[in-house]
Amino acid sequence: GAVVSQHPSRVICKSGTSVKIECRSLDFQATTMFWYRQFPKQSLMLMATSNEGSKATYEQGVEKDKFLINHASLTLSTLTVTSAHPEDSSFYICSARVAGVSSYEQYFGPGTRLTVT
Amino acid sequence: LAKTTQPISMDSYEGQEVNITCSHNNIATNDYITWYQQFPSQGPRFIIQGYKTKVTNEVASLFIPADRKSSTLSLPRVSLSDTAVYYCLVDSGGGADGLTFGKGTHLIIQP
Repeated sequence: GAVVSQHPSRVICKSGTSVKIECRSLDFQATTMFWYRQFPKQSLMLMATSNEGSKATYEQGVEKDKFLINHASLTLSTLTVTSAHPEDSSFYICSARVAGVSSYEQYFGPGTRLTVT
Repeated sequence: LAKTTQPISMDSYEGQEVNITCSHNNIATNDYITWYQQFPSQGPRFIIQGYKTKVTNEVASLFIPADRKSSTLSLPRVSLSDTAVYYCLVDSGGGADGLTFGKGTHLIIQP
């Protein structure tokens, strides 16, 4: 149980275009989902917290107009990288907490490798 | 926000027990300690979680002293496939508070 999927696993896009990444909790409902970014040989950096039915909370330094997050249901959150630039190339990972319980566990997705050319 | 400190890297050999210690001096009363394993180009995988004393599951043990200012992940009889980056995370639950990953420990297992 507690499986989180991401789609796509890899995406290559041209500079200036937008890319949408989906994060789904497959066998549980997630009130809260998190989006991380990870550059090569670095740790995970939290970008934003996504709560179902409300606006996302962004970490300091993360542009909310560039990284659009939508948590439309208890099993789906999306991250849209708008007007992508080569410096947005990174590994994007989502995680989810189980809804309805006092949960200290995060279940992570497999990640999405974004390359902007 | 509880900051964590771990060794950047560790080496060991197959069949050995490996202990990785994480410092979290300003852990709060309601924080839990969670350890994750990450392979290249994959999302982190949950290993073990604890609040105090000792927790054991089928893959690891977690030792937390009474003051909770540190924790030690113990991997028994490691194999080559345990080569990965290991992160400890102090988590307050709920929202984003306490979700700052440290640099992690790159564990390299040699034959």
